[in-house]
Amino acid sequence: GAGVSQTPSNKVTEKGKYVELRCDPISGHTALYWYRQSLGQGPEFLIYFQGTGAADDSGLPNDRFFAVRPEGSVSTLKIQRTERGDSAMYLCASSLYGRAGVHEQFFGPGTRLTVL
Amino acid sequence: DAKTTQPPSMDCAEGRAANLPCNHSTISGNEYVYWYRQIHSQGPQYIIHGLKNNETNEMASLIITEDRKSSTLILPHATLRDTAVYYCIVRVVGGSYIPTFGRGTSLIVHP
Repeated sequence: GAGVSQTPSNKVTEKGKYVELRCDPISGHTALYWYRQSLGQGPEFLIYFQGTGAADDSGLPNDRFFAVRPEGSVSTLKIQRTERGDSAMYLCASSLYGRAGVHEQFFGPGTRLTVL
Repeated sequence: DAKTTQPPSMDCAEGRAANLPCNHSTISGNEYVYWYRQIHSQGPQYIIHGLKNNETNEMASLIITEDRKSSTLILPHATLRDTAVYYCIVRVVGGSYIPTFGRGTSLIVHP
């Protein structure tokens, strides 16, 4: 079946602009995670959804970042007033269950964000 | 979640076994050991996980020491396509969960 998909694969924007990154999880997966990965580093946790609600958003770096998952499926990561330091690979993952289950995460290919 | 320590890089000859170590000396009784790998320009890929018993699947074997303070991921016959960054993660199941990947081990498989 289809895996996790993310769009766009690449996004180039200018400092100060607003961007939206989309994640389509595997159908039926209730848990969805967003990560950010800088070059040479491992993925850094941003936010975790269980269904429609953000169960843990402690990884969001500041209030310019927020994410939604209104129908418990597709999620959008939104970044306001982008800064050059926001440039990174943004990864999305889904799993069948979240905290309660021992289930592996399936990652999408990521969106490469470049802020000029 | 318990912190993990991995060597930054390793290399292995094609066809030989690759043994990737991970230290998690502060692991708790309810924490699982997970391994993921990330091939260049792709998202991480789940490999295997375990609690206390050794585990094997079509990709790899996971050997966890009896005291659970360390583990080894074994790729029995490494191929060039196994060149990737390998992450060892310890996670609690059923409680507060913030996954921490760390920098992992960069494995290079050479001909």
